[in-house]
Amino acid sequence: ETAVFQTPNYHVTQVGNEVSFNCKQTLGHDTMYWYKQDSKKLLKIMFSYNNKQLIVNETVPRRFSPQSSDKAHLNLRIKSVEPEDSAVYLCASSYLGDEQYFGPGTRLTVL
Amino acid sequence: AQKVTQTQTSISVMEKTTVTMDCVYETQDSSYFLFWYKQTASGEIVFLIRQDSYKKENATVGHYSLNFQKPKSSIGLIITATQIEDSAVYFCAMREGGTGGYKVVFGSGTRLLVSP
Repeated sequence: ETAVFQTPNYHVTQVGNEVSFNCKQTLGHDTMYWYKQDSKKLLKIMFSYNNKQLIVNETVPRRFSPQSSDKAHLNLRIKSVEPEDSAVYLCASSYLGDEQYFGPGTRLTVL
Repeated sequence: AQKVTQTQTSISVMEKTTVTMDCVYETQDSSYFLFWYKQTASGEIVFLIRQDSYKKENATVGHYSLNFQKPKSSIGLIITATQIEDSAVYFCAMREGGTGGYKVVFGSGTRLLVSP
């Protein structure tokens, strides 16, 4: 099956903890993205990688750090989560800057 | 800086009718790419249709078509013969063609409700 996969589906944690989200695409794309979607459904790009190279790095808190081992994988680590980090984190991929294919998302709840 | 604006927060229509969703964008680039995506109630986001700025013809895919008005920086999505399953949130998005990487900016979305 060719798609974008994300784990976990849900994660509940407490303020100050560290969390990691994983994303894998089997579409053969060379570009991957992380988005944050808040409770109002606003989609904001956080990071973008092309062939393991960071090409888009929006203004996000320094506790967020992306990690790419190869062009098919892009993970997101959040050190010391805050309540405002509660959101759905969506991973996507594309060939260059073409239309994007999204994963199912990871819903993070910070207590 | 690029910006995408969707002013319609929600639209309600009857099944089998035609609906148009508005989207205006701002960019300094002469080359750019416009996309529409659909997010279903389950949260799944799928790509629907795309318009490249250098193409004069409006894109059409199935029962989705675009109304591209370049002088007005407008890219409307038209859905003909709407179906219940078209109920979703629709996002307009833009990517500039310059050297800013592949950054895509999304609008705030329009919620479409199709009733029988």
